Amino acid sequence: QKEVEQDPGPLSVPEGAIVSLNCTYSNSAFQYFMWYRQYSRKGPELLMYTYSSGNKEDGRFTAQVDKSSKYISLFIRDSQPSDSATYLCAIDAGGTSYGKLTFGQGTILTVHP
Amino acid sequence: DVKVTQSSRYLVKRTGEKVFLECVQDMDHENMFWYRQDPGLGLRLIYFSYDVKMKEKGDIPEGYSVSREKKERFSLILESASTNQTSMYLCASSPEGTSNTEAFFGQGTRLTVV
Repeated sequence: QKEVEQDPGPLSVPEGAIVSLNCTYSNSAFQYFMWYRQYSRKGPELLMYTYSSGNKEDGRFTAQVDKSSKYISLFIRDSQPSDSATYLCAIDAGGTSYGKLTFGQGTILTVHP
Repeated sequence: DVKVTQSSRYLVKRTGEKVFLECVQDMDHENMFWYRQDPGLGLRLIYFSYDVKMKEKGDIPEGYSVSREKKERFSLILESASTNQTSMYLCASSPEGTSNTEAFFGQGTRLTVV
């Protein structure tokens, strides 16, 4: 079993739709949860991170963590064509992990006008 | 503004060649990483380094080695390139810390081994 499993998609939605991206993880020691966005032919860039269970909101984006279920989600409201990218969940064990991240497989999202 | 620069965007090498992928960061970060990215597999950690001359194996180190002689530079070496090493290679750096440190990525090197 992979440490982090991500719904692979691909996902294609119309502009304005609400998008839900999801990951599950197996190691309860994981502490920090991140979402990276990667545009075509670019490196990933950090979109959001959370530490505790609950929701964190940033504009149209909401990250949700449920540690009891080992489940993390990213919601995008009022999706735009500029949101078309690959979204990667990433988890950091913290402590002496030296910032090593464990990534999900990535979900390719296309928002069409 | 953090910048992680990988020396090449695209590389084509022959089977058996020794290949060097170079990465330089300009933010004095202690941690540096090499990942490879393949469709359906996401990013997988090859090697990382948390200090000059220090290196640690990641999840898939076989067929690779690394060098970190200076803090800002982290090199990935394919000792004898094989076709199954055709992939996108991503370098990243992050500051020292034991709690949530953001990793900054380079633009990637797409390596094709023929």
